[in-house]
Amino acid sequence: AQKVTQAQTEISVVEKEDVTLDCVYETRDTTYYLFWYKQPPSGELVFLIRRNSFDEQNEISGRYSWNFQKSTSSFNFTITASQVVDSAVYFCALVHGQNFVFGPGTRLSVLP
Amino acid sequence: DTEVTQTPKHLVMGMTNKKSLKCEQHMGHRAMYWYKQKAKKPPELMFVYSYEKLSINESVPSRFSPECPNSSLLNLHLHALQPEDSALYLCASSQSSGGRNQPQHFGDGTRLSIL
Repeated sequence: AQKVTQAQTEISVVEKEDVTLDCVYETRDTTYYLFWYKQPPSGELVFLIRRNSFDEQNEISGRYSWNFQKSTSSFNFTITASQVVDSAVYFCALVHGQNFVFGPGTRLSVLP
Repeated sequence: DTEVTQTPKHLVMGMTNKKSLKCEQHMGHRAMYWYKQKAKKPPELMFVYSYEKLSINESVPSRFSPECPNSSLLNLHLHALQPEDSALYLCASSQSSGGRNQPQHFGDGTRLSIL
């Protein structure tokens, strides 16, 4: 069975702090994809990143960075110098074939 | 602005009403999806259309009826809904659904309330 765990239900930080959102997944498959999506209060999910299971390189995009560790089945997301506009629910997701499993989400509040 | 447009943004209906949710994309995507999202929960997949044909129905009750008139449009027809069907309904599209590893582009959703 495939499963995604986001242990942090809610996180609050003060603007300019760095924050890491954890994602741990379970799968028996060797080929799979991992995603992060952001859902601001407006409702739409915004695609942030896709990573396949054969690419363990970490990625940086502006203030965002992702740390993929197959050894610990984790795909953590760090926001550097957080801003109020980063306040949203963040979902990690695991995809194999037709199976698409969302984690429960982490609600991030960035306070001014 | 999202590239997937959903209308209406809000809908309130009685349990005996018939209404439709609409979704449109002009990105040339060939896969379209309907999701249901309850408060403080992740989205739950309802239906997948691939090349205008229904490919996945996640055991959704028949009071929800999807329709894909063409590659750009996706409708969700609603009839005799229950109060527990109140939720945010999200439409998404992706280049293909051969494997669901393509990034999905989501609309803003329709907030549905059943009285």
